[in-house]
Amino acid sequence: GEDVEQSLFLSVREGDSSVINCTYTDSSSTYLYWYKQEPGAGLQLLTYIFSNMDMKQDQRLTVLLNKKDKHLSLRIADTQTGDSAIYFCAESHRNNNDMRFGAGTRLTVKP
Amino acid sequence: DGGITQSPKYLFRKEGQNVTLSCEQNLNHDAMYWYRQDPGQGLRLIYYSQIVNDFQKGDIAEGYSVSREKKESFPLTVTSAQKNPTAFYLCASLGFTGTGTGELFFGEGSRLTVL
Repeated sequence: GEDVEQSLFLSVREGDSSVINCTYTDSSSTYLYWYKQEPGAGLQLLTYIFSNMDMKQDQRLTVLLNKKDKHLSLRIADTQTGDSAIYFCAESHRNNNDMRFGAGTRLTVKP
Repeated sequence: DGGITQSPKYLFRKEGQNVTLSCEQNLNHDAMYWYRQDPGQGLRLIYYSQIVNDFQKGDIAEGYSVSREKKESFPLTVTSAQKNPTAFYLCASLGFTGTGTGELFFGEGSRLTVL
């Protein structure tokens, strides 16, 4: 099947920027998402981007999409300790029953 | 408050036993999903239901069963046929953002451990 890949770990210092990367293989993906999972909890939608966009900014979050390379990134500016969590990249077509998740990147923010 | 409630949060099971995980939502969503989460792996879809009295197998349905008798409820049974049931189980329902994009709303999860 189609794959979504992410690196498993990222560690940054408080106040630095974090960049979490994701690659996907399905060129017909319509929507791309970033979900956040805090310890022992479910996932929450952070942000999403349509495949016809190349950038979306929402406060400290910036999503960049390179559709040609099938590469998605999430940049968190001024990273805080409260940002420590697992971040999942996901992609889907119009039918959300086929949403595919990456393995998740565990972000650790050190004081 | 609207949301998805999963119970129990922690569950221990002996080998050979069936267990049922509860998932209830008051978001008035039609579609509901069960995912399994294992360390270092993405979420894998077990079953989904687009409407009451209908459900479909996901990628890893073997050893699991579901029912959807009410819109609000989508329980998952982990049967003794599931060879490696120890995992974190997440229930979700599908809503839509202001722009019409689908958004999954997740419960807090249920951690099942087989002794």
